[in-house]
Amino acid sequence: GQQVMQIPQYQHVQEGEDFTTYCNSSTTLSNIQWYKQRPGGHPVFLIQLVKSGEVKKQKRLTFQFGEAKKNSSLHITATQTTDVGTYFCAPLNSGGSNYKLTFGKGTLLTVNP
Amino acid sequence: NAGVTQTPKFQVLKTGQSMTLQCAQDMNHEYMSWYRQDPGMGLRLIHYSVGAGITDQGEVPNGYNVSRSTTEDFPLRLLSAAPSQTSVYFCASSYQSRVVTQYFGPGTRLLVL
Repeated sequence: GQQVMQIPQYQHVQEGEDFTTYCNSSTTLSNIQWYKQRPGGHPVFLIQLVKSGEVKKQKRLTFQFGEAKKNSSLHITATQTTDVGTYFCAPLNSGGSNYKLTFGKGTLLTVNP
Repeated sequence: NAGVTQTPKFQVLKTGQSMTLQCAQDMNHEYMSWYRQDPGMGLRLIHYSVGAGITDQGEVPNGYNVSRSTTEDFPLRLLSAAPSQTSVYFCASSYQSRVVTQYFGPGTRLLVL
């Protein structure tokens, strides 16, 4: 399956600080999805990026897809305690199937109130 | 809709025992998948199905069997449990569209002694 490096593995921030997680691939991706998993919960779909250089926003969350389609990032502005959880990227190679996703190892975000 | 349901929520097995993890969805989704989640390893695909009667292997299929006799159900069978199969198991479903979102069940926590 598609191998990606997701960094950092852990991130602890004070409430109100910003947070960014990165997903890097050695090969060109067709698209990439992002999921969030709250502690003790299950992964929940956040967004899918398809186009080179694409930027999408969801309130305080900004998702980017690199120009070369080999990396992606998720940025949270002014974190809140509700942002706590693990964020996973799920990349897809060209010709791959979205129903057969492989996931990065995730970034665990903790927020100190 | 109940979405994706999984039973049981928790299970303790002894090495060598067999069991079936149940997964059902009421969204008429064609695609269903099983993932296992271990600390620091992210989500790894075990088996998946693109429709009733059709299954295929994912990244880590050894020790697991699946079948898909109906669109709704996708059980995962452990024939002879091993301690290495201690994990959290998630079932997911999705349907063919421009954005193939994986809908995850609540998970089954399995401990093999």
